[in-house]
Amino acid sequence: DAGVTQSPTHLIKTRGQQVTLRCSPKSGHDTVSWYQQALGQGPQFIFQYYEEEERQRGNFPDRFSGHQFPNYSSELNVNALLLGDSALYLCASSLSGVGNEKLFFGSGTQLSVL
Amino acid sequence: AQSVSQHNHHVILSEAASLELGCNYSYGGTVNLFWYVQYPGQHLQLLLKYFSGDPLVKGIKGFEAEFIKSKFSFNLRKPSVQWSDTAEYFCAVNANDYKLSFGAGTTVTVRA
Repeated sequence: DAGVTQSPTHLIKTRGQQVTLRCSPKSGHDTVSWYQQALGQGPQFIFQYYEEEERQRGNFPDRFSGHQFPNYSSELNVNALLLGDSALYLCASSLSGVGNEKLFFGSGTQLSVL
Repeated sequence: AQSVSQHNHHVILSEAASLELGCNYSYGGTVNLFWYVQYPGQHLQLLLKYFSGDPLVKGIKGFEAEFIKSKFSFNLRKPSVQWSDTAEYFCAVNANDYKLSFGAGTTVTVRA
């Protein structure tokens, strides 16, 4: 049973560039959440997608956007990259996204912005 | 907005010692509480969760946590740790919306 898969595993970009990260949820899950984990910190909620719509958003600027496809996979896009965007980006999937559900996390994409 | 604080950044202990990790949250309403663990080289996974009922919850691998509403706390415990418990532990809170708010994490190192 495939868990949550993310690609790529590592990425190096320069300031001002744009990046797209991808996530395939665990089989049977329809909800995808994205988190940013900076070094030495816990994951910070970026947004959640359900039924191809952004259902809730954290305190992140509009440079962060996303998409969910009919097969429930998801993309995270970050425009105009800043040095401070360097972090581990985690995708988590769940069955419906309600707050008391168990989340299944992927291994993350490590983004370095130079 | 809710926030979560974990008391210890790094804990080092010997095998068979007891472990207690502190977690406090700031939110006045009903919350769902979680502990997640990340073993070296692995992804985050759920240890245990609380959302109603008995405030003492048991999770995997012998871990338990106690919810004390009056103290806004959800501390994690294990009576006797093993070398394989070396990991990073995150406390997380959900306030009946769709997001989890995580603490900064506690790195636990167990010496054989």
